[in-house]
Amino acid sequence: AQSVSQHNHHVILSEAASLELGCNYSYGGTVNLFWYVQYPGQHLQLLLKYFSGDPLVKGIKGFEAEFIKSKFSFNLRKPSVQWSDTAEYFCAVKPPGNTGKLIFGQGTTLQVKP
Amino acid sequence: DGGITQSPKYLFRKEGQNVTLSCEQNLNHDAMYWYRQDPGQGLRLIYYSQIVNDFQKGDIAEGYSVSREKKESFPLTVTSAQKNPTAFYLCASSIAGEVYEQYFGPGTRLTVT
Repeated sequence: AQSVSQHNHHVILSEAASLELGCNYSYGGTVNLFWYVQYPGQHLQLLLKYFSGDPLVKGIKGFEAEFIKSKFSFNLRKPSVQWSDTAEYFCAVKPPGNTGKLIFGQGTTLQVKP
Repeated sequence: DGGITQSPKYLFRKEGQNVTLSCEQNLNHDAMYWYRQDPGQGLRLIYYSQIVNDFQKGDIAEGYSVSREKKESFPLTVTSAQKNPTAFYLCASSIAGEVYEQYFGPGTRLTVT
């Protein structure tokens, strides 16, 4: 079945460490890509998105993601994490065509130790 | 302030009872969505609606029903036929047509005992 995979389920980092969270999808054709974040006790909110153009996308709070079409990947990165980045992160894909829906990955829980 | 309201935040029901979760948005979005969030499984789509009086099943629609009589409202009923109803339910909305980013509500945690 076509899907979205986040390979890291639980990541623990110390403050100032670099972060990379993997996201791979299995849809061919043109896709739209998203990273969402869910801070403890808060709404799910958009971190960044890719529709077209420059494959390196910058989002809020110093996050960025790179779309690599040949690898079907859209990995999330941050050079130096802070304790406040502790949250759950979700990758989402809008598959080709006007399906009207997003497919979400399983989520990655990031814990940043002060 | 524009946004999505879900009520209540916590809901408790006895097994065998139907329960309706509320979702209201004042973002003037045409499309609305219901997801279920379980640990380790991400968000799974239950139902979605791109226009009033029309909706489609998502990946896990069995045991759920929805209505879309008004643009701003998309209530979800968890029926007694849903085998594992205890979960965190999220409502979202977006501009219709090509899927743009979705805006999420605060969620309702349903516990069925």
